[in-house]
Amino acid sequence: GAVVSQHPSRVICKSGTSVKIECRSLDFQATTMFWYRQFPKKSLMLMATSNEGSKATYEQGVEKDKFLINHASLTLSTLTVTSAHPEDSSFYICSARLRRGSRTDTQYFGPGTRLTVL
Amino acid sequence: GQQVMQIPQYQHVQEGEDFTTYCNSSTTLSNIQWYKQRPGGHPVFLIQLVKSGEVKKQKRLTFQFGEAKKNSSLHITATQTTDVGTYFCAGPRADKLIFGTGTRLQVFP
Repeated sequence: GAVVSQHPSRVICKSGTSVKIECRSLDFQATTMFWYRQFPKKSLMLMATSNEGSKATYEQGVEKDKFLINHASLTLSTLTVTSAHPEDSSFYICSARLRRGSRTDTQYFGPGTRLTVL
Repeated sequence: GQQVMQIPQYQHVQEGEDFTTYCNSSTTLSNIQWYKQRPGGHPVFLIQLVKSGEVKKQKRLTFQFGEAKKNSSLHITATQTTDVGTYFCAGPRADKLIFGTGTRLQVFP
C-alpha cells in the first residue's frame, strides 16, 4: 500500500514553455502533499505544501507565480512550472502523507520527474 | 531555522565493512525518520524512531535515536553492494519534514 505516482517521469522542453507535473496517491487519500526539488548529489529541498481544497503554502524563496500548485482532490496534486528556464532544470519529487490518524508523519514519495529545459 | 546535518557527506567502503552515518538536529525532534535513495531513484522510507534512546534493527541496519532526541545514527553491518545509495534522516517541523544533508554510500566489491 501507500503508492504514489508521478507523471511524466522525464520531460524536456524549450525555454519559455510551461510544464505540468502530476502527483497521485494511488491507494490512499492524501489531504497533504509536498513538492520537493533536488539538485544532483544534493538533499531534498521543500518547495511547497499542498493541501486539498486550499492554497499551497510556499517555502521562503520559492516563487508561487512560477511554480503553480493545485491540489484539487484527495488523490491528485499538480505542479506547473511556468515559463521554464534552464535554471529550472532539476529533479522534482512529490510526496503524500496519509490522512490523520494513520502514521501521520510518514511521507510516501513519488518516483520523481526529471525536468530538462533547453 | 531548524537544520539537520549529516556526516559524513560521502563514504566509500569495501564490501563487508561496516558503515555509519550520523544525523544532528539543531532542535529537539518529536521523531526521526530515515530514508534511502538509490542512484536515479526516489527516497524510500526505512524507519521512524520516536522514543528517546530508542534502538531499532532491520536485518543488518541498526537505527538509534539519541537520549536528547537531537541526534540519530544509522549503522550498517557488513555492507553489500545493494546498500549503495544516499541515506537521509528527516525530522518534522510543524507538518513538514526537514531532510538532512544526506550521506552517500559507495560500496566496492
